[in-house]
Amino acid sequence: EIVLTQSPGTLSLSPGERATLSCRASQSISSSYLAWYQQKPGQAPRLLIYGASSRATGIPDRFSGSGSGTDFTLTISRLEPEDFAVYYCQQYGSSPRTFGQGTKVEIK
Amino acid sequence: EVQLVESGGGLVKPGGSLRLSCAASGFTFSTYTMNWVRQAPGKGLEWVSSISSSSSYIYYADSVKGRFTISRDNAKNSLYLQMNSLRAEDTAVYYCARDHYDSSGYYYEGGLDYWGQGTLVTVSS
Repeated sequence: EIVLTQSPGTLSLSPGERATLSCRASQSISSSYLAWYQQKPGQAPRLLIYGASSRATGIPDRFSGSGSGTDFTLTISRLEPEDFAVYYCQQYGSSPRTFGQGTKVEIK
Repeated sequence: EVQLVESGGGLVKPGGSLRLSCAASGFTFSTYTMNWVRQAPGKGLEWVSSISSSSSYIYYADSVKGRFTISRDNAKNSLYLQMNSLRAEDTAVYYCARDHYDSSGYYYEGGLDYWGQGTLVTVSS
């Protein structure tokens, strides 16, 4: 099983600032089969990024993904008020399709 | 409009059983791999199981293997999760979610692009 470790656990930032979230895998993820999701309280997760760097339909270009192998990053270039939420990475290159434990982006 | 609507959650005693359903609409259900993902109260996401379009490929998390059974009925556009021998640690909101394909519906692009609103399962005596 591939274990995904996200850091930091919580990120305290102000609107307009840049957010950098990390997702590290316990072994290499084949073909960059990594996705990122955003989840707000009481809502289902929303797909942001797939294939490590491709934005899903309707996702603003302030969200970008990068990385390969075992190290992946989600960057939010300028935080908008609606971006404060919990973010999860998920690998789907092998079963089980594991999630990271999440990073909470909170308003400073 | 793509819609996924879960039902069947509720309160059940440890050792009991429950069957969750997910009604799909707005897309060609029979061509998509489907998934169950759960989230314990205040915790993160946990992938539970997935089933391919024709039910040929089925996978489970180790935490539910041998106790949960995923199935689908393409004629009814429905996904199911039969949960037996339930434990307190199975308490969670259960989401059904669709694999993300390209606009043609044939090429798998990765991730889960549509999710239901979730149904709460509480295992407690």
